[in-house]
Order: sequence, then C-alpha cells, then structure tokens
Amino acid sequence: QQQVKQSPQSLIVQKGGISIINCAYENTAFDYFPWYQQFPGKGPALLIAIRPDVSEKKEGRFTISFNKSAKQFSLHIMDSQPGDSATYFCAARDGGGSQGNLIFGKGTKLSVKP
Amino acid sequence: KAGVTQTPRYLIKTRGQQVTLSCSPISGHRSVSWYQQTPGQGLQFLFEYFSETQRNKGNFPGRFSGRQFSNSRSEMNVSTLELGDSALYLCASSSTTSTDTQYFGPGTRLTVL
Repeated sequence: QQQVKQSPQSLIVQKGGISIINCAYENTAFDYFPWYQQFPGKGPALLIAIRPDVSEKKEGRFTISFNKSAKQFSLHIMDSQPGDSATYFCAARDGGGSQGNLIFGKGTKLSVKP
Repeated sequence: KAGVTQTPRYLIKTRGQQVTLSCSPISGHRSVSWYQQTPGQGLQFLFEYFSETQRNKGNFPGRFSGRQFSNSRSEMNVSTLELGDSALYLCASSSTTSTDTQYFGPGTRLTVL
C-alpha cells in the first residue's frame, strides 16, 4: 500500500520557470519529510527536508511548503535551470516506534527546457 | 569525508544464483539501510542495520538478507535469484538509527538473466 503519493509523474518546465511537485500522505505518525534529487546513474541526494512543525522551509531556489492539516507537502524550484533536470522523490519517515526507514513517493521526472 | 561506496557497481547473474553486495558507509556512520529501486515499484526499503543489529525490515522475502560488521560495513545477500530481482540496490548511511539524514551511495545495478 502506497503511503506517499507523488504527482505529477513527469514535468516539463521552461528555463527560469517554477517547478512544483506535490506529495500527500496518510500516516500522521510521519515526522520528517525529505526531498531527494536523483540523476541518472547516481544515488538519490538529499535536497531539502522539513518537519511538520514548520510550514515552509527555503534553501536557495528550493522551497518546501508543508500543510499538516491537509497532509500534503510540495517542492517548489524557483528559476528552474536545465541542470535541475533530474528525478525528484519525496519521502516520509515514520517516527513512531523503531521504524525509521524512509517511505518514498514514486518520483517525478523533471525536464527543464533551455 | 568520503561518501558511501558500494561494490560492485554492476552485476549480471542468472536465475537461481545468489549474490552478495557490499556497502561502506560514511566514516563515523553506524546505521546502514538498504533499498531496492525499480521502475515499477520505485524505492522500497529492505532493511536497516545499526551496530551490527538489524533494526528494521521491509516487506521482502527471506531470500533477501543482510549483515553488518563491527566497522559498520554492510553486506546484503540475495539467494535463489529471480528475474524480478533485477534492480538498482542502494545503500544509505546515517550517523544514528532512525535519524534524519540518510546519505545514499551510487548503487549496485543487478541484472538477473
């Protein structure tokens, strides 16, 4: 059963535009929400992460918006660049008990056109 | 610090064989998690080891196993390989168990023929 739903599956954005990727979850025990960026042939790399007590976190061109009541969070990439073309994964961690593993969304393949 | 390293990077096996993959975590990290990545199922958690003990296990059959050594290096083993085991196997390390930041290695691409 998929616990983190990510959309869209693919996204094409013009250079300089804003890329927006959305994720939704059901498990209220999730307490940590990271975003990973993965280039072909590479492992995922942590991009930015947020905890549910914060509604927004910004690092450079990357912003996470978090809506706890709606159980949704999103990644915004401002001034998107061709070098941002990659697959992005949202994830969530169940902080309850001993389960510390990450549960990933299915991924969004972003293409930024020059 | 050097990142997470995984060996081998590519592996081709035939059905019924077994395979062992290796992961060296970032120096000082004591937790190692393993994930399977496939186009259809995405990234799925296999298991986590911390201080040589398995702490968590995902929903995979018993053919998938792992271990961790005293130097935190970890191996995972898949026995009686099936075609569906073809995947990218990723290892991630973190400083403590159930911690925030997991750093991933480049993965081992396993192809089962």
